Amino acid sequence: RKEVEQDPGPFNVPEGATVAFNCTYSNSASQSFFWYRQDCRKEPKLLMSVYSSGNEDGRFTAQLNRASQYISLLIRDSKLSDSATYLCVVKAAGNKLTFGGGTRVLVKP
Amino acid sequence: ETGVTQSPTHLIKTRGQQVTLRCSSQSGHNTVSWYQQALGQGPQFIFQYYREEENGRGNFPPRFSGLQFPNYSSELNVNALELDDSALYLCASSSGTLPVEQYFGPGTRLTVT
Repeated sequence: RKEVEQDPGPFNVPEGATVAFNCTYSNSASQSFFWYRQDCRKEPKLLMSVYSSGNEDGRFTAQLNRASQYISLLIRDSKLSDSATYLCVVKAAGNKLTFGGGTRVLVKP
Repeated sequence: ETGVTQSPTHLIKTRGQQVTLRCSSQSGHNTVSWYQQALGQGPQFIFQYYREEENGRGNFPPRFSGLQFPNYSSELNVNALELDDSALYLCASSSGTLPVEQYFGPGTRLTVT
C-alpha cells in the first residue's frame, strides 16, 4: 500500500461548479499535511497547509480526518485557472515530505 | 518566482554515465531537499541537506549522492545512470529542517537513453 494515495482523476469540472477530492495516508503518526498545486511541466507550489480544525483560503477549503486518515480539498466556484494537478503531501516524524501521485483537475467552460 | 534556480533545465545522458545537477537555494534558506518526479507521479524524496550535512534520505540507492556548499547551494550526483532514472529532478529550499514551507525550483528534466 502506498503511503499517500490519491485518485488520479481527471476530474472534469464545469466552470463555476464545486469539486472535492480526498487523499488517504497510511502512517497514523503523520504530523503535518499540505496541498500543493502543480501546473503542467512546472514545479509544485504550496497551495495551503491543512490544520486539524480545517481551514479555508478563499475558494479553497481543506479538511483533516485523523480517525479515518484522510485529508480533503474542496474548490468552490471553479475557475479555468484552477486546472492543475493537486498533490497531497504528508509529513511524519523527521523532515521527509511524502507526496501522493496527484489528482488532475480540468475546469472547462 | 521562488528564487530557487536549477541547472541545467534539460539533459540527455546515456545509460552508465554520470550526471551532476545543481540547485541554488532562495536567499536566507539553509536547507535543500531533492526530489525525483517520474512522469505522471508525485515527487519522491531523495535526500535533504542542512548546513552542508545530509539530514535524511529516502529509498534511493547509494549511486544517488549529494553535496551542499557553504552558500547553501547544492548538487545532486547520480552515477551509473539507468533508464529508470529518466525523470524531473526538483530541488526545494527552506529555512530550517522542518518543511513548513518548501519552495521548489523549476526542475531539471533528465532523459537517459
